[in-house]
Amino acid sequence: SQQGEEDPQALSIQEGENATMNCSYKTSINNLQWYRQNSGRGLVHLILIRSNEREKHSGRLRVTLDTSKKSSSLLITASRAADTASYFCATGGQETSGSRLTFGEGTQLTVNP
Amino acid sequence: NAGVTQTPKFQVLKTGQSMTLQCAQDMNHEYMSWYRQDPGMGLRLIHYSVGAGITDQGEVPNGYNVSRSTTEDFPLRLLSAAPSQTSVYFCASSGWGRTQTQYFGPGTRLLVL
Repeated sequence: SQQGEEDPQALSIQEGENATMNCSYKTSINNLQWYRQNSGRGLVHLILIRSNEREKHSGRLRVTLDTSKKSSSLLITASRAADTASYFCATGGQETSGSRLTFGEGTQLTVNP
Repeated sequence: NAGVTQTPKFQVLKTGQSMTLQCAQDMNHEYMSWYRQDPGMGLRLIHYSVGAGITDQGEVPNGYNVSRSTTEDFPLRLLSAAPSQTSVYFCASSGWGRTQTQYFGPGTRLLVL
């Protein structure tokens, strides 16, 4: 079964608006990562947040992590049509070996020009 | 660097046929993994390897074999293809450690008739 569950499954917004995607997970984690996938392509890493961090920024991306609620959110500010993609959260567990990650089912983001 | 490469890009098989999906990386990464991606299911881990000569099962290993004779290569073998194995297969690699990010190949789209 999937560790992470993204919400919403699909999101459609206008260019310039902010997009927020949420991820919930079930077990203790060491870190949580967000990846992006353009249609028909492989996943690309966006940002990593460690379990002892609460917020992290990278350009127009802002990630928060609430380990008490076992949830994370990804905020994309001032969205562009080029941000249209699927976004996945992935968790690195406390118990799993090394670099192993467990992925959620993804949020499909559509940014309309 | 080429990063992570996968061949073929697309393959059609008949039920019962066998084939090998190739994956190679030139980043000297210890950790390599295979995922399958089905619509609405996110990525599910098939097998992974933490170094040459060491492999382990992921979430959905049945019907697949792997080996890791070199650091660079991590082929995935389908022993007797079934329609349920129709999917997109992604190979990924990373350095060793829980906070390593994963680099993905472009994927192999497999159709089993």
